[in-house]
Amino acid sequence: GQQVQQSPASLVLQEGENAELQCNFSSTATQLQWFYQSPGGSLVSLLSNPSGTKHTGRLTSTTVTKERRSSLHISSSQTTDSGTYLCAIDFSGGNYKPTFGKGTSLVVHP
Amino acid sequence: GALVYQYPRRTICKSGTSMRMECQAVGFQATSVAWYRQSPQKTFELIALSTVNSAIKYEQNFTQEKFPISHPNLSFSSMTVLNAYLEDRGLYLCGAGGHTEVFFGKGTRLTVV
Repeated sequence: GQQVQQSPASLVLQEGENAELQCNFSSTATQLQWFYQSPGGSLVSLLSNPSGTKHTGRLTSTTVTKERRSSLHISSSQTTDSGTYLCAIDFSGGNYKPTFGKGTSLVVHP
Repeated sequence: GALVYQYPRRTICKSGTSMRMECQAVGFQATSVAWYRQSPQKTFELIALSTVNSAIKYEQNFTQEKFPISHPNLSFSSMTVLNAYLEDRGLYLCGAGGHTEVFFGKGTRLTVV
């Protein structure tokens, strides 16, 4: 089946360090989104990036469609960045129903 | 901006009873609504995709008989968990959107006792 693999499963940083999160997928992605899930469970869309490079604030996502991978770079991490980062991909090309990876759990210490 | 509200945020129901959860899209038209369940193991499972004026498509292991969904217009959807048991517990998320991006609500956390 269509799969989304994220790595690392967990990451621990000191405040100010950078984070690099990876997402690999098994089939052609028609859409790709990075989400942040707070410890309480809320999902926030960070970036929609099916191809190329996009920036928002301290976040940079680069998706290489042919290689079926995407990365999320967080620069100058802050304690409030702690939570789970999820990669979600739509493989269908129709109505968007993303398949989620298992996420990367990020902990940023002061 | 685009917002998705889900309610209730938390609910507890007795084993064998049913509960209904709702999803409201504000600031955009939700041409499709995807309902997910995040289990205690943190895995996201797609339950069904609902598109206004089209048949609701359920994923394997999920049925209309167990999770009936209503999607009457471009701003509202509801889903009921019928005859809930322990394995139904988790965070139920509603993702509303169109073709390029999906916005999620904060979820309804279901506890079954």
